[in-house]
Amino acid sequence: AQTVTQSQPEMSVQEAETVTLSCTYDTSESDYYLFWYKQPPSRQMILVIRQEAYKQQNATENRFSVNFQKAAKSFSLKISDSQLGDAAMYFCAYRGNSGGSNYKLTFGKGTLLTVNP
Amino acid sequence: GAVVSQHPSWVICKSGTSVKIECRSLDFQATTMFWYRQFPKQSLMLMATSNEGSKATYEQGVEKDKFLINHASLTLSTLTVTSAHPEDSSFYICSANPSFNYGYTFGSGTRLTVV
Repeated sequence: AQTVTQSQPEMSVQEAETVTLSCTYDTSESDYYLFWYKQPPSRQMILVIRQEAYKQQNATENRFSVNFQKAAKSFSLKISDSQLGDAAMYFCAYRGNSGGSNYKLTFGKGTLLTVNP
Repeated sequence: GAVVSQHPSWVICKSGTSVKIECRSLDFQATTMFWYRQFPKQSLMLMATSNEGSKATYEQGVEKDKFLINHASLTLSTLTVTSAHPEDSSFYICSANPSFNYGYTFGSGTRLTVV
């Protein structure tokens, strides 16, 4: 079974600084998707960024970028120029492409990010 | 686009009664929807996968008779918590995948309190 590990329960960053959230995963599949979701205090899950495993280029969405290391099974999220609105719980998630129950998402335990003014 | 609407946002019910939560895909068809439960400061725990026109697939340890799932159309899935008890109090979230290559979209969640 696939597992997703987020080793940082909490992180903090100063406004305008850069922070990196870590995520590792375990899978025997070669084709899959990885996601970072943000859950602010409203508890609405918001997709931040996604990465397709067969693409070597790291995904980027404005101030958010990932460092995808397939061989190391690592998928870290970098937030540049941190803003107060970035404060939230961040979840790393995995989805396989083998079909069947593998279409479901497997989540890490989350990292609570605090942004200090 | 790709909006999932979940209702109600919060509900308080008496112990022993049943509560229905609705999850609708507003601008896409969803043959599959997912139901999660989330405790405070914890991750999302998948309860079941809802399949349009067929029985739901429940995760291990989830009581099928307690959490009834119906996916009667391509845009609506419902979760009914039957004979609710205080331990069923939690935050319930639904989600769907608008397309294979898209990220999953989530409803806004339902906070259930059983008194």
